[in-house]
Amino acid sequence: AQKITQTQPGMFVQEKEAVTLDCTYDTSDPSYGLFWYKQPSSGEMIFLIYQGSYDQQNATEGRYSLNFQKARKSANLVISASQLGDSAMYFCAMRLGSGNQFYFGTGTSLTVIP
Amino acid sequence: DSGVTQTPKHLITATGQRVTLRCSPRSGDLSVYWYQQSLDQGLQFLIQYYNGEERAKGNILERFSAQQFPDLHSELNLSSLELGDSALYFCASSVSGTTPPYGYTFGSGTRLTVV
Repeated sequence: AQKITQTQPGMFVQEKEAVTLDCTYDTSDPSYGLFWYKQPSSGEMIFLIYQGSYDQQNATEGRYSLNFQKARKSANLVISASQLGDSAMYFCAMRLGSGNQFYFGTGTSLTVIP
Repeated sequence: DSGVTQTPKHLITATGQRVTLRCSPRSGDLSVYWYQQSLDQGLQFLIQYYNGEERAKGNILERFSAQQFPDLHSELNLSSLELGDSALYFCASSVSGTTPPYGYTFGSGTRLTVV
């Protein structure tokens, strides 16, 4: 069975500090993609970053980076220089091979403190 | 604005009723995906359509059905509604029938409340 686990239901970070949101996954498929989405209180789902299972380097997108440790099956999201607007729910998701559906974790609620 | 349009944004209805949620994909996208986000189940994949044809089916109840029309907009029909159907229903779209590396483009969702 495919599974995404986010063990941190809630996280707090001081403004301008870095924060790491944890995500572990479980699959026996050698080909997969890992995604992070942000869901602010308004409800929309915003794509942040993608990491493919065969990618050699960790993905980065601006202040977002993905710490991909394949042997440990982890894909942690690192947000550098946190901003108040980063306060939101963050979801880790996995897609298998060229499959059509995503498997989502339960999310982590991040609160940035001024 | 993501380019994926979902209507209505909010819907309140009574148990036993039927509702239709509508989604217009981003221009040029052929695939539409429906997801349900509830407090107890999290985000669950329901169904995918590609260019009018059903492509993949997930945890969709028999009381629910969907279709994609020639103009590529999609409708999700929910019938015999129960309190547990209260959730945020997302539509997402992508160009091809398989998920692109950058993931989907999500709409802003329809919040359904069943009373």
